Amino acid sequence: NAGVTQTPKFQVLKTGQSMTLQCAQDMNHNSMYWYRQDPGMGLRLIYYSASEGTTDKGEVPNGYNVSRLNKREFSLRLESAAPSQTSVYFCASSERAGSSAGNTIYFGEGSWLTVV
Amino acid sequence: KQEVTQIPAALSVPEGENLVLNCSFTDSAIYNLQWFRQDPGKGLTSLLLIQSSQREQTSGRLNASLDKSSGRSTLYIAASQPGDSATYLCAVSPNAGKSTFGDGTTLTVKP
Repeated sequence: NAGVTQTPKFQVLKTGQSMTLQCAQDMNHNSMYWYRQDPGMGLRLIYYSASEGTTDKGEVPNGYNVSRLNKREFSLRLESAAPSQTSVYFCASSERAGSSAGNTIYFGEGSWLTVV
Repeated sequence: KQEVTQIPAALSVPEGENLVLNCSFTDSAIYNLQWFRQDPGKGLTSLLLIQSSQREQTSGRLNASLDKSSGRSTLYIAASQPGDSATYLCAVSPNAGKSTFGDGTTLTVKP
């Protein structure tokens, strides 16, 4: 059981270039998330998808777009990369967001992105 | 806006010691609280999830408690081992999936 898989693991971009981070989960989860983690800033939610066909902005959505391609896949796109987007990006999933029963969040291994 | 604070930022203990990590949050309207472990260069691994109606959860040497009214949670680690060295993060979730994470406590257990 692979869980949450992210690609690529490492990427160096030049300012202004575009790229897409791919994420797939094999746990049949409804909800998926993209976070970034920066020293001193903690984990911040970029975008999330509560269910297939829906997406919503998180805390820091500017400069990013997302696509929930199907139930398994949730991609994050940087249209014009900036040095401020240098970070570690994590994809995550859970059975269902906002459930009063509570849902464990499962994380991918992370994607290290450097924008020069 | 929900704020989550973890104190201390770093903790170093000798092997075998029992220890407590703290997490506090400002908005008590949460659905659940989770404790995660993060090893260097890795993603987060969920350790324990406490639903809003629960007071505590246990898994092996780990025990997490939740006091919603005071906005506090603790993670108790019994008989610490060098393999417990990692960063521990707590996260609180309201509805709609917008979890808020603390900055974490980096634990070092010395042999």
